[in-house]
Amino acid sequence: EAGVTQFPSHSVIEKGQTVTLRCDPISGHDNLYWYRRVMGKEIKFLLHFVKESKQDESGMPNNRFLAERTGGTYSTLKVQPAELEDSGVYFCASSRPGMNTEAFFGQGTRLTVV
Amino acid sequence: KNEVEQSPQNLTAQEGEFITINCSYSVGISALHWLQQHPGGGIVSLFMLSSGKKKHGRLIATINIQEKHSSLHITASHPRDSAVYICAVKDSNYQLIWGAGTKLIIKP
Repeated sequence: EAGVTQFPSHSVIEKGQTVTLRCDPISGHDNLYWYRRVMGKEIKFLLHFVKESKQDESGMPNNRFLAERTGGTYSTLKVQPAELEDSGVYFCASSRPGMNTEAFFGQGTRLTVV
Repeated sequence: KNEVEQSPQNLTAQEGEFITINCSYSVGISALHWLQQHPGGGIVSLFMLSSGKKKHGRLIATINIQEKHSSLHITASHPRDSAVYICAVKDSNYQLIWGAGTKLIIKP
C-alpha cells in the first residue's frame, strides 16, 4: 500500500505570502495528524483529524494556520500570512481507526519563510 | 523540564559497536514510539511498545513502565544507521509528546 505522502517536499516563500501544504494519508486511515519541528526545537503536535472532523487542534499556534480535511481523505494546512518563525519541517501522520493505533509518517514538508 | 527526555543528545561510534539510546518520560502513557529520521527529513516508525521488549533485525527496544524508561539498542552498528532517533510517548489524551532526538553517527 502507498505510504503517507506530503506535497511539496520543500517550499520557500516570502514573509506575508500564503502557502498550502498537503498530506495524503494511507487509504482507510481515519486518523490524520499534523506536527511540526521549528529550528532547534522538538517536534510539536499541531492537530488531529478523525475523518473530516477536528478531534484536537490544541497545538495550532495561531489563527494564521488553517487545516482542513474535506471528505475525510487528504488534508491541507494553510499558512496565511506566513511569518519567519513559521519556518520548519511540517510532518503528517496517519493511523487506522482507534486512538492507540500505530502512526505512519510522511516525508515532511520543509518550509522556509524569507 | 521536558516531559520526554532523551540521552545522549549526540552519539558518535565506530562501526560494529553496540549502541544504546535512552528515553525517560514523566507522564502516564498508553504507548511509546521509537522513530528514525534520516537527513532529508522523513520519519520512519521503528517500534511502538507499551510493555516488555520488541526486536526487529539489529534493533531492540525495551520499556520499563514502572521506571518510565525505555531504551533503543542497535547491535553491530553500521554507517547506514546514522540518523536521528526520536522517542515519542502517547499520553492519556493519545497525543504524541516528542523527545528532542538523539543524533547518531556511525563511522566506518
